[in-house]
Amino acid sequence: NAGVTQTPKFQVLKTGQSMTLQCAQDMNHNSMYWYRQDPGMGLRLIYYSASEGTTDKGEVPNGYNVSRLNKREFSLRLESAAPSQTSVYFCASSEQGASGELFFGEGSRLTVL
Amino acid sequence: GESVGLHLPTLSVQEGDNSIINCAYSNSASDYFIWYKQESGKGPQFIIDIRSNMDKRQGQRVTVLLNKTVKHLSLQIAATQPGDSAVYFCAETGAGSYQLTFGKGTKLSVIP
Repeated sequence: NAGVTQTPKFQVLKTGQSMTLQCAQDMNHNSMYWYRQDPGMGLRLIYYSASEGTTDKGEVPNGYNVSRLNKREFSLRLESAAPSQTSVYFCASSEQGASGELFFGEGSRLTVL
Repeated sequence: GESVGLHLPTLSVQEGDNSIINCAYSNSASDYFIWYKQESGKGPQFIIDIRSNMDKRQGQRVTVLLNKTVKHLSLQIAATQPGDSAVYFCAETGAGSYQLTFGKGTKLSVIP
């Protein structure tokens, strides 16, 4: 039972570099999400995809782009990384919407120098 | 903007005692509330949820209470065990929404 799988688990970038975080779920869920978690704060929604073919901004979308590649995969891209994007990123999925259980991946720890 | 918050950032309890973790929310339009548990180095894990048409819901060793009058949510853990040590987050959302708003979390430490 893989659930939600994120790669990479750890990444160090220099300011201005780009990278993509990959996420895949095997539960046939319609909705997928990217959150970031900073010390002393709860999770904040970056982008979400209600269903295949749609994406929408969350609370903190600036500096990020997303792609819902297919029903299983939802990637998060940092085009020009900044130190403020140092965080732990979590991908999640749900059957449909936020009024139900979200299943989270193990997280990707990103450090931008 | 409206947000979900927690009253206490840390809580220490003796093994075997009951734990109560509190949460205040301010969005009166919220109608679905969830508690998540996050162990160190892992992603959040669903514990229990409650909809606004209920005031109490029980699971295995956990109970969630919802007081809509004062916009307060609590998580009760019975007979707390060392494996319950984690950070607990409350979260809320409205009907049909895809945006789950999380509180800052309470760290529960269980003393053996």
